[in-house]
Amino acid sequence: DQQVKQNSPSLSVQEGRISILNCDYTNSMFDYFLWYKKYPAEGPTFLISISSIKDKNEDGRFTVFLNKSAKHLSLHIVPSQPGDSAVYFCAASKWRGAQKLVFGQGTRLTINP
Amino acid sequence: EADIYQTPRYLVIGTGKKITLECSQTMGHDKMYWYQQDPGMELHLIHYSYGVNSTEKGDLSSESTVSRIRTEHFPLTLESARPSHTSQYLCASSEWSDSNEQFFGPGTRLTVL
Repeated sequence: DQQVKQNSPSLSVQEGRISILNCDYTNSMFDYFLWYKKYPAEGPTFLISISSIKDKNEDGRFTVFLNKSAKHLSLHIVPSQPGDSAVYFCAASKWRGAQKLVFGQGTRLTINP
Repeated sequence: EADIYQTPRYLVIGTGKKITLECSQTMGHDKMYWYQQDPGMELHLIHYSYGVNSTEKGDLSSESTVSRIRTEHFPLTLESARPSHTSQYLCASSEWSDSNEQFFGPGTRLTVL
Protein backbone atom coordinates (compact mmCIF):
# COMPACT_ATOMS: atom_id res chain seq x y z
CA ASP A 1 0.00 0.00 0.00
CA GLN A 2 1.76 3.10 -1.25
CA GLN A 3 0.98 5.96 1.11
CA VAL A 4 2.77 8.68 -0.86
CA LYS A 5 2.27 8.79 -4.61
CA GLN A 6 3.85 10.81 -7.36
CA ASN A 7 1.82 9.86 -10.38
CA SER A 8 3.96 11.57 -13.00
CA PRO A 9 7.19 9.64 -13.55
CA SER A 10 8.55 12.43 -15.72
CA LEU A 11 7.96 16.07 -16.60
CA SER A 12 9.54 18.23 -19.29
CA VAL A 13 9.48 22.03 -18.99
CA GLN A 14 11.00 24.82 -21.00
CA GLU A 15 13.66 26.95 -19.33
CA GLY A 16 12.17 30.04 -17.71
CA ARG A 17 8.71 28.55 -17.37
CA ILE A 18 7.05 27.19 -14.23
CA SER A 19 7.56 23.56 -13.19
CA ILE A 20 4.80 22.00 -11.10
CA LEU A 21 5.42 18.66 -9.43
CA ASN A 22 2.56 16.91 -7.69
CA CYS A 23 2.28 14.51 -4.79
CA ASP A 24 -0.70 12.77 -3.21
CA TYR A 25 -0.88 10.97 0.10
CA THR A 26 -3.42 8.63 1.65
CA ASN A 27 -2.53 8.61 5.35
CA SER A 28 -4.40 11.40 7.15
CA MET A 29 -1.94 11.09 10.03
CA PHE A 30 0.82 12.66 7.94
CA ASP A 31 1.33 16.26 8.96
CA TYR A 32 4.81 17.17 7.81
CA PHE A 33 5.98 17.04 4.22
CA LEU A 34 9.33 17.46 2.52
CA TRP A 35 10.69 17.66 -1.01
CA TYR A 36 14.07 16.22 -1.92
CA LYS A 37 16.06 16.62 -5.12
CA LYS A 38 18.34 13.91 -6.48
CA TYR A 39 20.97 14.10 -9.19
CA PRO A 40 22.30 10.90 -10.80
CA ALA A 41 24.94 9.09 -8.73
CA GLU A 42 24.26 11.36 -5.73
CA GLY A 43 22.10 11.06 -2.65
CA PRO A 44 18.92 13.11 -2.27
CA THR A 45 19.29 16.64 -0.91
CA PHE A 46 16.64 18.46 1.08
CA LEU A 47 14.84 21.21 -0.80
CA ILE A 48 11.87 22.55 1.14
CA SER A 49 9.31 21.42 3.72
CA ILE A 50 5.87 22.32 4.97
CA SER A 51 3.91 21.65 8.12
CA SER A 52 0.21 20.86 8.03
CA ILE A 53 -0.56 24.05 9.91
CA LYS A 54 0.43 25.95 6.77
CA ASP A 55 -0.85 25.83 3.22
CA LYS A 56 2.16 27.44 1.59
CA ASN A 57 5.88 27.73 2.16
CA GLU A 58 8.24 29.67 -0.05
CA ASP A 59 12.01 29.64 -0.43
CA GLY A 60 13.40 31.60 -3.34
CA ARG A 61 12.28 30.01 -6.59
CA PHE A 62 10.66 27.10 -4.76
CA THR A 63 7.15 27.11 -3.29
CA VAL A 64 5.31 24.19 -1.79
CA PHE A 65 1.52 24.21 -1.52
CA LEU A 66 -0.45 21.89 0.74
CA ASN A 67 -4.13 21.05 0.37
CA LYS A 68 -4.98 18.91 3.39
CA SER A 69 -8.58 18.26 2.43
CA ALA A 70 -7.44 16.84 -0.90
CA LYS A 71 -4.36 15.18 0.63
CA HIS A 72 -2.30 16.80 -2.08
CA LEU A 73 0.83 18.87 -2.22
CA SER A 74 2.71 20.46 -5.06
CA LEU A 75 6.12 21.96 -5.63
CA HIS A 76 6.37 24.99 -7.90
CA ILE A 77 9.68 26.05 -9.38
CA VAL A 78 9.71 29.40 -11.11
CA PRO A 79 11.57 30.27 -13.21
CA SER A 80 12.87 26.82 -14.10
CA GLN A 81 16.59 26.56 -14.80
CA PRO A 82 18.66 23.82 -16.49
CA GLY A 83 20.25 22.96 -13.13
CA ASP A 84 16.81 22.02 -11.84
CA SER A 85 16.86 18.91 -14.03
CA ALA A 86 16.83 16.07 -11.48
CA VAL A 87 14.53 13.56 -9.82
CA TYR A 88 12.27 15.10 -7.17
CA PHE A 89 10.96 13.04 -4.27
CA CYS A 90 8.06 13.93 -2.05
CA ALA A 91 8.24 12.60 1.53
CA ALA A 92 5.85 12.62 4.48
CA SER A 93 5.98 11.97 8.20
CA LYS A 94 3.43 11.69 10.98
CA TRP A 95 4.83 14.60 12.94
CA ARG A 96 7.62 17.07 12.80
CA GLY A 97 10.74 15.50 14.25
CA ALA A 98 9.63 11.93 13.52
CA GLN A 99 12.29 9.42 12.67
CA LYS A 100 10.57 7.90 9.68
CA LEU A 101 9.92 9.43 6.31
CA VAL A 102 7.69 7.80 3.70
CA PHE A 103 8.81 8.62 0.17
CA GLY A 104 7.02 8.79 -3.16
CA GLN A 105 8.54 7.17 -6.23
CA GLY A 106 9.91 10.39 -7.65
CA THR A 107 9.34 12.56 -10.72
CA ARG A 108 12.14 13.13 -13.21
CA LEU A 109 12.14 16.80 -14.21
CA THR A 110 13.89 17.84 -17.40
CA ILE A 111 14.37 21.51 -18.17
CA ASN A 112 14.80 22.17 -21.87
CA PRO A 113 16.78 25.20 -23.09
CA GLU B 1 27.29 21.30 4.56
CA ALA B 2 26.38 17.67 5.11
CA ASP B 3 29.27 15.28 5.60
CA ILE B 4 28.11 11.74 5.17
CA TYR B 5 30.12 9.18 3.31
CA GLN B 6 29.42 5.79 1.83
CA THR B 7 31.83 3.21 0.50
CA PRO B 8 32.06 1.56 -1.87
CA ARG B 9 30.13 3.66 -4.37
CA TYR B 10 29.73 0.70 -6.72
CA LEU B 11 30.04 -3.00 -5.98
CA VAL B 12 29.61 -6.00 -8.28
CA ILE B 13 29.81 -9.28 -6.45
CA GLY B 14 28.93 -12.93 -6.89
CA THR B 15 26.10 -14.79 -5.20
CA GLY B 16 26.85 -16.09 -1.72
CA LYS B 17 29.49 -13.52 -0.81
CA LYS B 18 29.39 -11.61 2.45
CA ILE B 19 29.44 -7.84 2.00
CA THR B 20 29.52 -4.81 4.26
CA LEU B 21 28.44 -1.38 3.07
CA GLU B 22 30.06 1.40 5.03
CA CYS B 23 28.42 4.64 6.14
CA SER B 24 30.05 7.37 8.21
CA GLN B 25 28.98 10.87 9.18
CA THR B 26 30.97 13.63 10.82
CA MET B 27 28.06 15.78 11.96
CA GLY B 28 27.57 14.07 15.33
CA HIS B 29 24.02 13.07 14.43
CA ASP B 30 22.39 10.54 16.71
CA LYS B 31 19.86 9.26 14.18
CA MET B 32 20.99 7.24 11.18
CA TYR B 33 19.08 5.37 8.48
CA TRP B 34 19.48 2.91 5.63
CA TYR B 35 17.20 3.07 2.61
CA GLN B 36 16.93 0.78 -0.39
CA GLN B 37 15.89 2.17 -3.74
CA ASP B 38 15.27 0.52 -7.08
CA PRO B 39 15.20 2.63 -10.28
CA GLY B 40 12.00 4.63 -10.64
CA MET B 41 10.79 3.55 -7.25
CA GLU B 42 10.45 5.13 -3.84
CA LEU B 43 13.09 4.96 -1.13
CA HIS B 44 12.25 2.22 1.36
CA LEU B 45 13.50 2.44 4.96
CA ILE B 46 15.18 -0.85 5.89
CA HIS B 47 17.02 0.04 9.13
CA TYR B 48 17.38 2.97 11.50
CA SER B 49 19.17 3.83 14.71
CA TYR B 50 18.51 6.38 17.44
CA GLY B 51 22.05 6.23 18.79
CA VAL B 52 24.86 3.93 19.89
CA ASN B 53 23.70 0.34 20.51
CA SER B 54 20.24 1.16 19.15
CA THR B 55 19.03 -0.41 15.90
CA GLU B 56 15.53 -0.97 14.55
CA LYS B 57 14.11 -2.58 11.44
CA GLY B 58 12.39 -0.30 8.98
CA ASP B 59 9.21 -0.62 7.01
CA LEU B 60 10.67 -2.85 4.29
CA SER B 61 11.80 -6.28 5.35
CA SER B 62 15.46 -6.85 4.60
CA GLU B 63 17.87 -9.74 5.04
CA SER B 64 20.61 -7.28 5.89
CA THR B 65 21.78 -6.44 9.40
CA VAL B 66 23.23 -3.27 10.88
CA SER B 67 25.28 -2.27 13.90
CA ARG B 68 25.89 1.01 15.70
CA ILE B 69 28.93 0.77 17.92
CA ARG B 70 30.05 4.35 17.31
CA THR B 71 27.93 7.43 16.75
CA GLU B 72 29.53 8.22 13.41
CA HIS B 73 29.47 4.74 11.91
CA PHE B 74 26.46 2.67 10.73
CA PRO B 75 27.55 -0.27 8.56
CA LEU B 76 25.13 -2.60 6.76
CA THR B 77 25.99 -6.26 6.24
CA LEU B 78 24.63 -8.93 3.95
CA GLU B 79 25.84 -12.38 5.07
CA SER B 80 25.10 -14.06 1.75
CA ALA B 81 24.39 -11.82 -1.21
CA ARG B 82 21.75 -12.84 -3.76
CA PRO B 83 20.67 -11.30 -7.09
CA SER B 84 17.48 -10.06 -5.37
CA HIS B 85 19.72 -7.79 -3.26
CA THR B 86 20.73 -5.84 -6.35
CA SER B 87 19.69 -2.26 -5.63
CA GLN B 88 20.93 1.14 -4.53
CA TYR B 89 21.53 1.54 -0.80
CA LEU B 90 21.34 5.04 0.66
CA CYS B 91 22.52 6.01 4.13
CA ALA B 92 21.21 9.12 5.89
CA SER B 93 21.51 10.87 9.24
CA SER B 94 19.65 13.51 11.19
CA GLU B 95 19.78 15.24 14.53
CA TRP B 96 17.28 15.28 17.33
CA SER B 97 15.28 18.40 16.47
CA ASP B 98 11.93 19.50 15.14
CA SER B 99 13.30 19.31 11.65
CA ASN B 100 12.73 16.09 9.75
CA GLU B 101 15.55 16.91 7.40
CA GLN B 102 17.73 13.91 6.73
CA PHE B 103 21.16 14.25 5.14
CA PHE B 104 21.95 11.57 2.60
CA GLY B 105 25.18 9.99 1.50
CA PRO B 106 25.92 9.41 -2.22
CA GLY B 107 24.72 5.81 -2.09
CA THR B 108 26.17 2.40 -2.94
CA ARG B 109 24.97 0.71 -6.09
CA LEU B 110 25.13 -3.03 -5.48
CA THR B 111 24.92 -5.62 -8.23
CA VAL B 112 24.86 -9.29 -7.29
CA LEU B 113 25.51 -11.67 -10.16
